Amino acid sequence: DVKVTQSSRYLVKRTGEKVFLECVQDMDHENMFWYRQDPGLGLRLIYFSYDVKMKEKGDIPEGYSVSREKKERFSLILESASTNQTSMYLCASSFRGGGNTIYFGEGSWLTVV
Amino acid sequence: GQNIDQPTEMTATEGAIVQINCTYQTSGFNGLFWYQQHAGEAPTFLSYNVLDGLEEKGRFSSFLSRSKGYSYLLLKELQMKDSASYLCAGLFGSARQLTFGSGTQLTVLP
Repeated sequence: DVKVTQSSRYLVKRTGEKVFLECVQDMDHENMFWYRQDPGLGLRLIYFSYDVKMKEKGDIPEGYSVSREKKERFSLILESASTNQTSMYLCASSFRGGGNTIYFGEGSWLTVV
Repeated sequence: GQNIDQPTEMTATEGAIVQINCTYQTSGFNGLFWYQQHAGEAPTFLSYNVLDGLEEKGRFSSFLSRSKGYSYLLLKELQMKDSASYLCAGLFGSARQLTFGSGTQLTVLP
């Protein structure tokens, strides 16, 4: 069975804190993605990675960074959390090639207070 | 970026048929996905269309017209469990990632 696992389902952090969201996939996928999902805005791509140590900015990278040291793991980092980063964060992965199905993790609900 | 447009909300009755439309800009278009997302859960894959025409999978079918920049998801014999958000997503140009619409929240009433 396809599995994308996000380490935390629900987090509450304070403004200015550094936040790590971890994602692991067990399907040997080359591509991994981080999206955020907000009501009325749909899924917006933050960053994606198509190989170990490779990353590309998505539509809304500001305030975020990522790390991909191993093929199966893709981390999203909020260097200094702000209240406008309160959102649901979804990790996803797929095989190389644009037409391949993207599989999503269950999401991480982050609240910044 | 590319625009993907779909209605925000739809309501239908159990046992009925509903069609959820999606339009997109045709420039650089390579393919279209539909995902289903229940509240608080991850999106799950429903269909992928590259060529024109209708693809059927049980109660769900997806249609694509590349020249018109138009797709729809057809749900037949609606069940209460079909109440969910349906996401249309397009693949454009050389991009490795999808561009998502805002989603259509479908409510199935008894």
